[in-house]
Amino acid sequence: AQRVTQPEKLLSVFKGAPVELKCNYSYSGSPELFWYVQYSRQRLQLLLRHISRESIKGFTADLNKGETSFHLKKPFAQEEDSAMYYCALTGDSSASKIIFGSGTRLSIRP
Amino acid sequence: EPEVTQTPSHQVTQMGQEVILRCVPISNHLYFYWYRQILGQKVEFLVSFYNNEISEKSEIFDDQFSVERPDGSNFTLKIRSTKLEDSAMYFCASLRLAGDLSTDTQYFGPGTRLTVL
Repeated sequence: AQRVTQPEKLLSVFKGAPVELKCNYSYSGSPELFWYVQYSRQRLQLLLRHISRESIKGFTADLNKGETSFHLKKPFAQEEDSAMYYCALTGDSSASKIIFGSGTRLSIRP
Repeated sequence: EPEVTQTPSHQVTQMGQEVILRCVPISNHLYFYWYRQILGQKVEFLVSFYNNEISEKSEIFDDQFSVERPDGSNFTLKIRSTKLEDSAMYFCASLRLAGDLSTDTQYFGPGTRLTVL
């Protein structure tokens, strides 16, 4: 079955603390993994994708095929990171449907 | 930067009524999608559309739903006879697909909140 699991509905950390948002996936084949972010009153937007191997706004995510995980990390949280984060995957083609996780609300305390 | 737009932002309707949700994708995009998010649940795929036909649909997308690209700019989702459980946020997305895996991505609209009473 194709599935993305985000075990934490809410994650609250202090400003300056490290952040790790967990994501595990189930997919038969070679999926492409993404993290989307939705800030308050804004639209869903792509944060990063595993194939780009880049760091966006200080966030990184490493694809671990053995553990089927794609956890999102940031060493020092900032207040503006507070948002809803969705882990997602698509199939072999970028035109494939996106399968989303249930999302984790990240709250950064001052 | 071009954006996907959706109208209306909020639609309230009575059960059994027809609704049409509208989307204007980014102008040079060729692939179009509808997703929905029931309150407190995950974003779910409904349908994808390419070259004037449905390329994939989920089991949610039953005979009550239809999509259309009536002109060169709009992409619509019609629900023929709304049910209470159709209440959700509906997101439109579009994709260009230039063949560059590092930049090809679906761009999402702000959503239309549908409330069925």
